[in-house]
Amino acid sequence: NAGVMQNPRHLVRRRGQEARLRCSPMKGHSHVYWYRQLPEEGLKFMVYLQKENIIDESGMPKERFSAEFPKEGPSILRIQQVVRGDSAAYFCASSSGTGNEPQHFGDGTRLSIL
Amino acid sequence: GENVEQHPSTLSVQEGDSAVIKCTYSDSASNYFPWYKQELGKRPQLIIDIRSNVGEKKDQRIAVTLNKTAKHFSLHITETQPEDSAVYFCAARDAGTYKYIFGTGTRLKVLA
Repeated sequence: NAGVMQNPRHLVRRRGQEARLRCSPMKGHSHVYWYRQLPEEGLKFMVYLQKENIIDESGMPKERFSAEFPKEGPSILRIQQVVRGDSAAYFCASSSGTGNEPQHFGDGTRLSIL
Repeated sequence: GENVEQHPSTLSVQEGDSAVIKCTYSDSASNYFPWYKQELGKRPQLIIDIRSNVGEKKDQRIAVTLNKTAKHFSLHITETQPEDSAVYFCAARDAGTYKYIFGTGTRLKVLA
């Protein structure tokens, strides 16, 4: 049973480019969460999605950031017109959402902006 | 909404000693509390969890206690080893939104 898969593991972009981060949840999981983590800091919630629905995007900046979790395929976190401050590790987690079960994390995408 | 506070932010112990990390939460409706360990450069990994219908859970050297009345829960690591050195995060699952609210983390250093 494969775990949460994120790709790419490392992504380098120049200022102004777009970054696309992908997350495939664990088999049987329909809830996906995205977090951002700066070095030496905690996990900052960004967005919570179920298939084809954004449940809570209160932690995601209104501009340049968007997320989706289509019926088919992985969840995607998209950052347009990246700036230096977007450099961080972005973790995806998934859960079954059916009860008091843990969420499991992927290995993260380390985004570096030149 | 739920709010989780975690203390201490850093903790150093001698190898073989015990370590205790404490978290408090605000929403009495929260009913699920996982703990994660994150080593440098790696993903957070679930190490133990507790549901609100029990007061304590143990797994080898790791235990978690929950006090629903006081709305706090704690992680206990006994006989600490250097490989226990990591950042530990507590979390509470918001019963209304199903979000996991994380504490700010505790950096544990086990000194050999």
